[in-house]
Amino acid sequence: AQTVTQSQPEMSVQEAETVTLSCTYDTSESDYYLFWYKQPPSRQMILVIRQEAYKQQNATENRFSVNFQKAAKSFSLKISDSQLGDAAMYFCAYARNEKLTFGTGTRLTIIP
Amino acid sequence: DGGITQSPKYLFRKEGQNVTLSCEQNLNHDAMYWYRQDPGQGLRLIYYSQIVNDFQKGDIAEGYSVSREKKESFPLTVTSAQKNPTAFYLCASTSSGSEQYFGPGTRLTVT
Repeated sequence: AQTVTQSQPEMSVQEAETVTLSCTYDTSESDYYLFWYKQPPSRQMILVIRQEAYKQQNATENRFSVNFQKAAKSFSLKISDSQLGDAAMYFCAYARNEKLTFGTGTRLTIIP
Repeated sequence: DGGITQSPKYLFRKEGQNVTLSCEQNLNHDAMYWYRQDPGQGLRLIYYSQIVNDFQKGDIAEGYSVSREKKESFPLTVTSAQKNPTAFYLCASTSSGSEQYFGPGTRLTVT
């Protein structure tokens, strides 16, 4: 079974600074998707960014970017110019055959 | 507006009662999912359905049941056999097998 590990239960960053959240996963497959979801206090799950495993280029969405290292099975999320609205739980997820496996999440606090 | 709705937002039940959580989507997605979220844990898959009239157990299906009679609807019943039903329940759907879109969730409290 696939597993997703987020080794940082909590992180904090100063407003306007950059922070990187870590994620590793275990799979024997070569074709899959990876995602970062954000869950603010409202508890609505919001897709932040997605990465197809067959693409070597790292995905970017505005201030959010990933460092995808397929051989190392690592998928970290970088948030640049952190804003107060970025405060949330962040979940890394692995997807294959229409099933998602989630990590346990990282709680990100933004310090004004 | 297209999206996923879950009702109610908060639900309270007495122990020993079955309760059904609603999930409706108007995104025309084929696949729908139910997850459970507990404090300090990620989302765990309860059941999923990739097509009408068909569904599969996820990782924690015991004490739960589902139906998929319509493409738009995927209700989840929490039965009295579920030993620890108090949790936050999230419904999701997808069309392409990649990213899933989530509803706002239902907080179930059983006393």
